[in-house]
Amino acid sequence: AQKITQTQPGMFVQEKEAVTLDCTYDTSDQSYGLFWYKQPSSGEMIFLIYQGSYDEQNATEGRYSLNFQKARKSANLVISASQLGDSAMYFCAMRLSNFGNEKLTFGTGTRLTIIP
Amino acid sequence: DTGVSQNPRHKITKRGQNVTFRCDPISEHNRLYWYRQTLGQGPEFLTYFQNEAQLEKSRLLSDRFSAERPKGSFSTLEIQRTEQGDSAMYLCASSSRGGGGEKLFFGSGTQLSVL
Repeated sequence: AQKITQTQPGMFVQEKEAVTLDCTYDTSDQSYGLFWYKQPSSGEMIFLIYQGSYDEQNATEGRYSLNFQKARKSANLVISASQLGDSAMYFCAMRLSNFGNEKLTFGTGTRLTIIP
Repeated sequence: DTGVSQNPRHKITKRGQNVTFRCDPISEHNRLYWYRQTLGQGPEFLTYFQNEAQLEKSRLLSDRFSAERPKGSFSTLEIQRTEQGDSAMYLCASSSRGGGGEKLFFGSGTQLSVL
């Protein structure tokens, strides 16, 4: 069974600074995908970034990048130049790539607060 | 692309009552998912449809829970004889294809409170 661990329940960061949100995962499968989602107070989960287990380059999407260290089984999210609108819950998730598996397993999340 | 729509946004019910939630996915998406999120936790997978076929169900989905997706369009999630432990946010998501890096588009959820 797969598991996602997010050890930072909450983080406070000054506006315009970079922030790293930690995520470690556990699986014995070799093929999987890792996701980060943002959940503002409105409740909707918003996709941020994806990294496949066989991708050699770290994924980037605008101000978001994923620091993927496969040997350490970590997939940390880096947000550069943080903005007030980045204040939200952030969830790391994993999906195994075996045929027919559609289940995303989420961590418990990190609440990020950006301070003006 | 009008996004995933869920109704109602909030539902308060008494223990023992039945409740039904509706999800309208993005129109061209053939995959639809239900997740449940309790306070302080990440979403947990409940069930998944490809078109009208329910292909996967979590063990979290007890016999009191039933989900349907007639005609492969909108979906309903019904909880019978609600219990206080059913209080949670019920999230619906859709996608156009499965597996790999396919991202899910989520709705804003239905917040259920069982008194």
